[in-house]
Amino acid sequence: QKEVEQDPGPLSVPEGAIVSLNCTYSNSAFQYFMWYRQYSRKGPELLMYTYSSGNKEDGRFTAQVDKSSKYISLFIRDSQPSDSATYLCAMRRDSNYQLIWGAGTKLIIKP
Amino acid sequence: DADVTQTPRNRITKTGKRIMLECSQTKGHDRMYWYRQDPGLGLRLIYYSFDVKDINKGEISDGYSVSRQAQAKFSLSLESAIPNQTALYFCATSGTDVNQPQHFGDGTRLSIL
Repeated sequence: QKEVEQDPGPLSVPEGAIVSLNCTYSNSAFQYFMWYRQYSRKGPELLMYTYSSGNKEDGRFTAQVDKSSKYISLFIRDSQPSDSATYLCAMRRDSNYQLIWGAGTKLIIKP
Repeated sequence: DADVTQTPRNRITKTGKRIMLECSQTKGHDRMYWYRQDPGLGLRLIYYSFDVKDINKGEISDGYSVSRQAQAKFSLSLESAIPNQTALYFCATSGTDVNQPQHFGDGTRLSIL
């Protein structure tokens, strides 16, 4: 079993919809949680970063961490065609620099 | 110009060949990383370096070697390439603060026939 599970999709939604992307994990030692966005033929870029449990909002994006359920989510409001990309979750233990990555979910926003 | 530059962007080669992938950065970061990305598996860490004299194995270092020639340069070598090393390879950098994100290059698509 992988330490981090993420549905590969693709997830296809109409423009303007609210998108929910999720990851589950098995290791309760993870403390730092990240969402990266990766466009085709490009490297991943950091979108959201959260420490421990709770919510964090940045514009149209909200990251949510539920450590009791070992579940993290990324919500995108008012989705745009430019949001079409692969979204990767990543997480790290408190004292270990190595990131553990989900496989990524491909998101398609239809105009 | 890109902050993290990888060369080449694409490479096709044959089994048994030695291959070097190069990474250079202008971000002034001490820490550099090499990952491979495979469909359905996500990113996996091959090697990482916290400074010029510090190099560490990652999750999947077998069959690979690295060289940190300078703070700004980190190269990955496949000594004798095999087909299951066909993948997308990424270099990344980060600052010394553990909370800082990793910054990625645009990757090298490597195919081994």
